[in-house]
Amino acid sequence: VHLLESGGGLVQRGGSLRLSCAASGFTFGTSAMSWVRQAPGKGLEWVSTISGHGETIKYADSVKGRFTVSRDNVKNVLSLQMNDLSAEDTAHYFCAKGTYSGVLSAFDFWGQGTLVTVSS
Amino acid sequence: DIQMTQSPSSLSASVGDRVTITCRASQGISNYLAWFQQKPGKAPKSLIYGASSLQSGVPLKFSGSGSGTDFTLTISDLQPEDFATYYCQQYFSFPVSFGGGTEVEIK
Repeated sequence: VHLLESGGGLVQRGGSLRLSCAASGFTFGTSAMSWVRQAPGKGLEWVSTISGHGETIKYADSVKGRFTVSRDNVKNVLSLQMNDLSAEDTAHYFCAKGTYSGVLSAFDFWGQGTLVTVSS
Repeated sequence: DIQMTQSPSSLSASVGDRVTITCRASQGISNYLAWFQQKPGKAPKSLIYGASSLQSGVPLKFSGSGSGTDFTLTISDLQPEDFATYYCQQYFSFPVSFGGGTEVEIK
């Protein structure tokens, strides 16, 4: 299993960014996928989860209405579109693979993360 | 929302020690509890799911127990590579939530 995030970078407050997570080594469509973030020096915060076939999506209240998660089960890519970014969104963003296709599944593998920095 | 409380927030231990970390949920979560290890500058690594089942490849020195609201992670024979921060997480209901972490330091 390999998960590789990309798309992070420096963005101004109010701006947008799109993160991607390229997956390999497993049957992508059989696993729910999640985004988890970690602000510098802080703990882990769940952001969003999408079921294996994309029919169920969940968001943390802190990002609801601003972030959109999606997946392409042909290209094996998980995406996170982030709009109206604020300083509170500055964090390392990790994608995590679920143990099965349902949204409430444990995580078994994590990507290495990509850093998003929002400047004011 | 379910709150996850870990204790202690940090501990100092010596190589060879056995340590126990506690995680308490604000309401019952059955056994929908996972543990992760994170080293500085690295991604989290999954250790345990279902409160007590080891992820593939995780050594038997790690063990988890508990059900309902109270859970523990025990690490036996602590080695230099085990010094890290450990997080619990409930996946019983959304929003899924993590404990604040326990930093295991070398004494």
